[in-house]
Amino acid sequence: QVQLKQSGPGLVQPSQSLSITCTVSGFSLTSYGVHWVRQSPGKGLEWLGVIWSGGSTDYNAAFISRLSISKDNSKSQVFFKMNSLQADDTAIYYCARNGYYIDYWGQGTTLTVSS
Amino acid sequence: ENVLTQSPAIMSASLGEKVTMSCRASSSVNYMYWYQQKSDASPKLWIYYTSNLAPGVPARFSGSGSGNSYSLTISSMEGEDAATYYCQQFTSSPLTFGAGTKLELK
Repeated sequence: QVQLKQSGPGLVQPSQSLSITCTVSGFSLTSYGVHWVRQSPGKGLEWLGVIWSGGSTDYNAAFISRLSISKDNSKSQVFFKMNSLQADDTAIYYCARNGYYIDYWGQGTTLTVSS
Repeated sequence: ENVLTQSPAIMSASLGEKVTMSCRASSSVNYMYWYQQKSDASPKLWIYYTSNLAPGVPARFSGSGSGNSYSLTISSMEGEDAATYYCQQFTSSPLTFGAGTKLELK
């Protein structure tokens, strides 16, 4: 079955970076895109960006200067990196599969930005 | 960006009651998508292409709308339907979500 499993740190200090790996199974990254979305009480669900099946990326303009998404198709892994984190980046970060629309979500990575 | 406004923000319904929630877009969209989220869980695709139910979604749910105005309806409220429902569009970038309608059981 389709699964997206996320791994990454739960606590990061201000100004540091966040790296999350989304390991997928049940489908191929050469056929599906993967989005990154975060959720916080204050801002709700925010779309961060997507890496398409062909490897191209689209980013939310609000995050483009500090966001990078890449992947390794052979390992079925998608890599998310966000730099210069501040307290208001505290949120749950999700990866999610896109066929023609977002249909499956990872379990989420709860991130706290604090010293 | 295309702002999605959901109403009401919070609502409660009794078992068997009909429920309707709204999602209005600041710019016209081709399709609307709906997700259900329960506490401490990831969102689940609920309705796609405005009116198609995702696999496993009960037939008491329906979606409709066009242009700027969309809605999700439950014909007869069940206890398991208590959750937060989010609408989402990707007709234009950035992809955006509504703030959600929290549906509670009365």
